[in-house]
Amino acid sequence: QSVLTQPPSVSAAPGQKVTISCSGSSSNIGNNYVSWYQQLPGTAPKLLIYENQKRPSGIPDRFSGSKSGTSATLGITGLQTGDEADYYCAAWDSSLSVLVFGGGTKLTVL
Amino acid sequence: EVQLVESGGGLVQPGGSLRLSCGASGFISSTYDMHWVRQATGKGLEWVSAISTAGVTYYAGSVKGRFTISRENSKNSLYLQMNSLRDGDTAVYYCTRVGGSAFDVWGQGTMVTVSS
Repeated sequence: QSVLTQPPSVSAAPGQKVTISCSGSSSNIGNNYVSWYQQLPGTAPKLLIYENQKRPSGIPDRFSGSKSGTSATLGITGLQTGDEADYYCAAWDSSLSVLVFGGGTKLTVL
Repeated sequence: EVQLVESGGGLVQPGGSLRLSCGASGFISSTYDMHWVRQATGKGLEWVSAISTAGVTYYAGSVKGRFTISRENSKNSLYLQMNSLRDGDTAVYYCTRVGGSAFDVWGQGTMVTVSS
């Protein structure tokens, strides 16, 4: 069981919008930055969102992040078939002094 | 080009040892916190260990006492010494750099298989 909770899967049609939730606690999301990663099949993870809502250079503004309390959300608009991937949230856990990941969410673009 | 390249993976028997290496290029790795993350086949990402710029180390409970993270600044490299390996340690191991409070650079991964 992962410390951060994500839905196992989400799906939506091309061009639509999807959100992926990530639920934690005060010791991780509540008091630390959340980051999001995209992992395409057979490849290393790629940073999508850092410090809750910031996008690295090269990441399109179709991807957005937000945080409220002990939960975070990744939003993807204008879905493309190329967005089909696994998405992970992560945060440092101050109580355990470990980095925790969500279990991952598989996005299917129907 | 900023890059991380892992090496040292392979097949090892339960109870055995393996040392993973991660070479950095395009940046000075000693000026960044560095981590190891692993992923078993078909499973999610699992954090393994970290080393800060000051040399402070952190470990997941599942590897504490068995794995040791270290860095060799003169070689711009990161290492993971893995002892007392178990079946559950079988995974692709990634090294990754912390930039902007997140893992901004990842290696391609190296496969570790623990099996008799």
